Amino acid sequence: DQQVKQNSPSLSVQEGRISILNCDYTNSMFDYFLWYKKYPAEGPTFLISISSIKDKNEDGRFTVFLNKSAKHLSLHIVPSQPGDSAVYFCAAQSLGSGNTGKLIFGQGTTLQVKP
Amino acid sequence: EAGVTQFPSHSVIEKGQTVTLRCDPISGHDNLYWYRRVMGKEIKFLLHFVKESKQDESGMPNNRFLAERTGGTYSTLKVQPAELEDSGVYFCASSLGAGNTIYFGEGSWLTVV
Repeated sequence: DQQVKQNSPSLSVQEGRISILNCDYTNSMFDYFLWYKKYPAEGPTFLISISSIKDKNEDGRFTVFLNKSAKHLSLHIVPSQPGDSAVYFCAAQSLGSGNTGKLIFGQGTTLQVKP
Repeated sequence: EAGVTQFPSHSVIEKGQTVTLRCDPISGHDNLYWYRRVMGKEIKFLLHFVKESKQDESGMPNNRFLAERTGGTYSTLKVQPAELEDSGVYFCASSLGAGNTIYFGEGSWLTVV
């Protein structure tokens, strides 16, 4: 039973355009949602996160939107650059009593930004 | 400052053999996690240490997997005996506290043939 799902295995966009990566979750008790970026042969690196009490968080070209009623979040990259080409993982985390803060990941979406 | 380091980066072993993966977390990080990614699927949680204590090992697949963190510093993950389905990338990660950013190592690629 997968609690975090990324239904699009891949996405291709033109340089300078917007990239939108989507993620759905099933557990309404998650406290934080995170996006990690992974290049080949490297470990995932933290990109941006959002608290469950917020609906938007922005950091430079990266914005994450959270829709709690739909149990859906998305990562927007504007403008997209070729160096953004990587696998993007959505993750969720619970931090309440009895929780260890472990990350629950989606399957990942491979983003290709074409020059 | 050094990040999370893992050794070996790649390992090819025969079914039935033993492999031990090592992880050195970022200095001062009490929280240490092991994850695994198999065949391009999602990254799955294996277990979590706080210092030398196992806080959560709910993700460990079976008793062929043994993780230790002696002295609360580095950690080892032993697979004995290895099976074909154990092939994948094993990631180690660490954080200062449970709510702090979790940093990942580059992973140890394990191939069981």
